[in-house]
Amino acid sequence: QVQLVQSGSELREPGASVKVSCKASGYTFTSHAMNWVRQAPGQGLEWMGWINTNTGNPTYAQGFTGRFVFSLDTSVSTAYLQISSLKAEDTAVYYCAKDPRYFREWGQGTLVTVSS
Amino acid sequence: DIQMTQSPSSLSASVGDRVTITCRASQGISTYLAWYQQKPGKVPKLLIYAASTLQSGVPSRFGGSGSGTDFTLTISSLQPEDVATYYCQKYNSAPLTFGQGTKVEIK
Repeated sequence: QVQLVQSGSELREPGASVKVSCKASGYTFTSHAMNWVRQAPGQGLEWMGWINTNTGNPTYAQGFTGRFVFSLDTSVSTAYLQISSLKAEDTAVYYCAKDPRYFREWGQGTLVTVSS
Repeated sequence: DIQMTQSPSSLSASVGDRVTITCRASQGISTYLAWYQQKPGKVPKLLIYAASTLQSGVPSRFGGSGSGTDFTLTISSLQPEDVATYYCQKYNSAPLTFGQGTKVEIK
């Protein structure tokens, strides 16, 4: 069955960087886009963008350009989200979600906490 | 960009009640709309796509309708396990915007 397994919770100081992973299994990784969704504490879902797992081409939503980078390692069926120059307002749960339009499968979420 | 507006933002209803949540797009999106359920502390779950197609395994008390700019998620008979926040999402084109969510509680 399809599984998306994300890396564990992270605690970082402001200004640091973090890299979240999303390991896929149960399907052909390069046949389905991977999306990233943010959920700040007590807030709604926010689509961050997606990466074409065949070409590696990323698309970023407004508000997620510059400090946010989507990448892949197709040899291990894994997508990555890297956030640099972390700010307190980046504290959130970050989800990966498969498919280019609506999302049947989601990772379990990774809590990133930014605090000094 | 197209905005997605849900109403109400929260509601409280009794077990067995019919519950209706509305999602409005600022421009027409045909039927490129999905609905998700997110229980507290859990991962969102796809309920409906293409505005009215029930995802496999979702109870038949959930239903979706609408096209263009106005959409509805209906729970025909509210159950205790339906306590959750519900989100609509458009997917006709990027950005794949979510509505702000509707929190459903039991009265």
